Amino acid sequence: AQSVTQLGSHVSVSEGALVLLRCNYSSSVPPYLFWYVQYPNQGLQLLLKYTTGATLVKGINGFEAEFKKSETSFHLTKPSAHMSDAAEYFCAVSEGGATNKLIFGTGTLLAVQP
Amino acid sequence: GAVVSQHPSWVICKSGTSVKIECRSLDFQATTMFWYRQFPKQSLMLMATSNEGSKATYEQGVEKDKFLINHASLTLSTLTVTSAHPEDSSFYICSASAAGGISEQYFGPGTRLTVT
Repeated sequence: AQSVTQLGSHVSVSEGALVLLRCNYSSSVPPYLFWYVQYPNQGLQLLLKYTTGATLVKGINGFEAEFKKSETSFHLTKPSAHMSDAAEYFCAVSEGGATNKLIFGTGTLLAVQP
Repeated sequence: GAVVSQHPSWVICKSGTSVKIECRSLDFQATTMFWYRQFPKQSLMLMATSNEGSKATYEQGVEKDKFLINHASLTLSTLTVTSAHPEDSSFYICSASAAGGISEQYFGPGTRLTVT
C-alpha cells in the first residue's frame, strides 16, 4: 500500500529564507508524486508533479522538488520565501493507472515571518 | 487551465436533513471524479471515486448509503449527504480528471458543510 509522510506539521521561516518541506513516500511501483498548496477555505492548487524523466521538477511560484528514489523522498524547496507562500502544503502519491487515486500526506503549514 | 467548480461553497443544514453538493468541470470532460473530505487542520481523505455512467467506488469505512454519489454526465458529479448529523460537518472537496493514467486531477474550491 502506498503512503506519504510529511515531517513537520508546522514550519516557520523568515521572509527571504530557504523553504524546505519534507516528504517521504512508500510505493510498490514507480510512483507519481505531487505537491499541492491550499490557502484557507480553498481547494488545492498543483505546485508541481513528478511522473517520469528528470528528477528535479520545477513548479509554479518558484518552487521545485527533487525525486530521490534511493531515499524515497520528494522534498519541496524554494530559495527565498515570500509572505504570500504562507499556506498549507500537501505531498501526494499516485500509482497512476486506471484508478488514478491520490494518497495525501498530513500536510505542512508554512508560516512566513516578516 | 482546467477549472472545476463546486456549489454551494458553504451550506448550513439541520440535523436529519439531506444536502446535495455539485461538482462541475467547466472546460473539459471529466471521465473520473473524486470526492474528498477534510477535517479542520487535517489532510484530505478520499471518500469515493466515480466514473461517468458507473457506480461510485467507495473507500473502506465510507458509508455508501449515507454519501450518495452520482456522476451522470462528463461534466457533473453530485454528492448527497443523507440524514446529515453534526459529525458530518466538514470541508468536502471534489476533483476531476480527464482520464486515468497520469492524468492530473483538478480540484474544486471545496464546500463547507455545517450541520446544526
